Amino acid sequence: ETGVTQSPTHLIKTRGQQVTLRCSSQSGHNTVSWYQQALGQGPQFIFQYYREEENGRGNFPPRFSGLQFPNYSSELNVNALELDDSALYLCASSFATSTDTQYFGPGTRLTVL
Amino acid sequence: AQTVTQSQPEMSVQEAETVTLSCTYDTSENNYYLFWYKQPPSRQMILVIRQEAYKQQNATENRFSVNFQKAAKSFSLKISDSQLGDTAMYFCASSQGGSEKLVFGKGTKLTVNP
Repeated sequence: ETGVTQSPTHLIKTRGQQVTLRCSSQSGHNTVSWYQQALGQGPQFIFQYYREEENGRGNFPPRFSGLQFPNYSSELNVNALELDDSALYLCASSFATSTDTQYFGPGTRLTVL
Repeated sequence: AQTVTQSQPEMSVQEAETVTLSCTYDTSENNYYLFWYKQPPSRQMILVIRQEAYKQQNATENRFSVNFQKAAKSFSLKISDSQLGDTAMYFCASSQGGSEKLVFGKGTKLTVNP
């Protein structure tokens, strides 16, 4: 069984640029959630995708957007990067039942200069 | 809205001893789930243990057990026979459903000393 994978591992961008982060869900999972973890903080929910549709969103501006593909992998896109977007971005996958658990990938460390 | 509070920013314990990490939460839901995740320096968030609110019995997973006090909205994690590999950040989290969005606390940094 393949776990959750994310790419790239690290990324450095400059303010105003755009970035795309990728996540492959665990085999058999159809739901992907994205979280932002600032340094020294707990993760904050960005949004969730279920069967290619957004299924809930946290308190993040519209410049944070996402996609889910038919194979349930997902992308997180961030436009007009700001310095405060520097964080660890975590992807978690699960099977959409009330009894399932979210399993996390290793994260992508984004640095905005 | 759900909130999760971890009041211990840092803790340390000697190898082979027992340590308890505290967590309190607030929710208006009757059905919810509680989790402890571990995040070692490698950054990957690893599930330690989960508890369904409708179950009265405290969850146990090998050396890890919880003390779930529903009325007090308290969910502490006990680690027995601490090992050096337990050194990590520990996050308490809640959700309205197992696959619903997780709300995390700020974490407790646990150091296990040899």
